[in-house]
Amino acid sequence: EDQVTQSPEALRLQEGESSSLNCSYTVSGLRGLFWYRQDPGKGPEFLFTLYSAGEEKEKERLKATLTKKESFLHITAPKPEDSATYLCAVQAGKVFNKFYFGSGTKLNVKP
Amino acid sequence: EAGVTQSPTHLIKTRGQQATLRCSPISGHTSVYWYQQALGLGLQFLLWYDEGEERNRGNFPPRFSGRQFPNYSSELNVNALELEDSALYLCASSFLMGTEQYFGPGTRLTVT
Repeated sequence: EDQVTQSPEALRLQEGESSSLNCSYTVSGLRGLFWYRQDPGKGPEFLFTLYSAGEEKEKERLKATLTKKESFLHITAPKPEDSATYLCAVQAGKVFNKFYFGSGTKLNVKP
Repeated sequence: EAGVTQSPTHLIKTRGQQATLRCSPISGHTSVYWYQQALGLGLQFLLWYDEGEERNRGNFPPRFSGRQFPNYSSELNVNALELEDSALYLCASSFLMGTEQYFGPGTRLTVT
C-alpha cells in the first residue's frame, strides 16, 4: 500500500537549534516529492520539489534532500517565524498519478 | 500574480444537503486538485482535473464529485452531506501534471 510517513509528529526547538524532519515513503513509481509549510487555518505554501535520489534544494534556513526511500528537511538556526506544520507529499503512479500527503510535523521554535 | 482563490470561505450546511465549493486556479495553470483536511488530520486527495477531464480520484464515495470548466476553474460538489464531511477543503493548481501545486486558502465546511 502506498504510504507517506512523517516524523516526528511534533518538534520543539530553541531558536538557533538546528534539526531535521523526516519523510519516508513506500510508493510505486515515484514521480516527485514535495515539501510544504502550512500555518494554522491556511492553505499549504510550496517550498521544494525533488525528483530523483541525491537531489538537494535550499531556501534560506531550509534544505531538502532525497534518497530512494526518504526525504529530509534540514532546518539550520531556526527562528520563531519558522514555526508551522511542515508537510511532505509524494506524487506516484504508473499511468495517472495520485498524490499522497504525510500527516505533517508540527514545528515550534521558541525564542 | 493572483494566487488560487476559493469561495466561499465558510459554508454551513445541514446533514443531507448538498454543498458546492468553487476554485479559480492561477492564470495559466490547467490542472486543479481538491483535497479534504479534517481537523487534526492530514490532507486526503479527492480529485484531480486537467484540461476539463477528471484524471484521478482518491478513495472517496461517489457523492463527492466535481467538474472543471473551459476557463479551468473548478467546482466540488458534495451530495447527501454527512457530519464527518466537516473539514477544510483545499484546492490547488499546477502548470503541468506532475509539477508543484499551489494551494488556495480553503473553504471551511461545517455540517450540522
